[in-house]
Amino acid sequence: LAKTTQPISMDSYEGQEVNITCSHNNIATNDYITWYQQFPSQGPRFIIQGYKTKVTNEVASLFIPADRKSSTLSLPRVSLSDTAVYYCLSRSGGYQKVTFGTGTKLQVIP
Amino acid sequence: NAGVMQNPRHLVRRRGQEARLRCSPMKGHSHVYWYRQLPEEGLKFMVYLQKENIIDESGMPKERFSAEFPKEGPSILRIQQVVRGDSAAYFCASSPPASGYQETQYFGPGTRLLVL
Repeated sequence: LAKTTQPISMDSYEGQEVNITCSHNNIATNDYITWYQQFPSQGPRFIIQGYKTKVTNEVASLFIPADRKSSTLSLPRVSLSDTAVYYCLSRSGGYQKVTFGTGTKLQVIP
Repeated sequence: NAGVMQNPRHLVRRRGQEARLRCSPMKGHSHVYWYRQLPEEGLKFMVYLQKENIIDESGMPKERFSAEFPKEGPSILRIQQVVRGDSAAYFCASSPPASGYQETQYFGPGTRLLVL
């Protein structure tokens, strides 16, 4: 079973760039790395997904080193509405079993 | 295109009663996942289903819990003889068929179960 590890919490001021790192030492060769955002009392929402190097969309960037044992979610210029829990997702043993990381609680401070 | 729908959004049961949670996946999606989230904790995988098949139920408690995804109708997560420890938020997610390793799961709003 793949194990993912993230910092439990992070604080950031508005307007700063936030980087959240997830380690996934047992990630399988064909697994993709996916990040989700969850607000209180809501279901997780897909943010970004990648396999290697760098992926960017309108919300965030995802950096994955060559060994793929970790990934870093980068949120540019965060605002108060980015306060949420962020999860990284990896799979083990094929795409049937999925594992969420412990989640990082991001608090954006005005 | 409606998102993943779950009902009820809130469910209150007394100890010993049965709880039935429903999940309607997004249109065209044939894969359904159920997760449980305890207060202040992360999501824990419970079960992965495709139409009429349970693919992986390794995260389901061995007793009292069952799940199905019939050919017609929503997926059902059933908890028999509920206990206070079953109080949690239960989330359903769906994904399209043949997504493979790039599969993206889309989550519903969850059902919050409270056992008195």
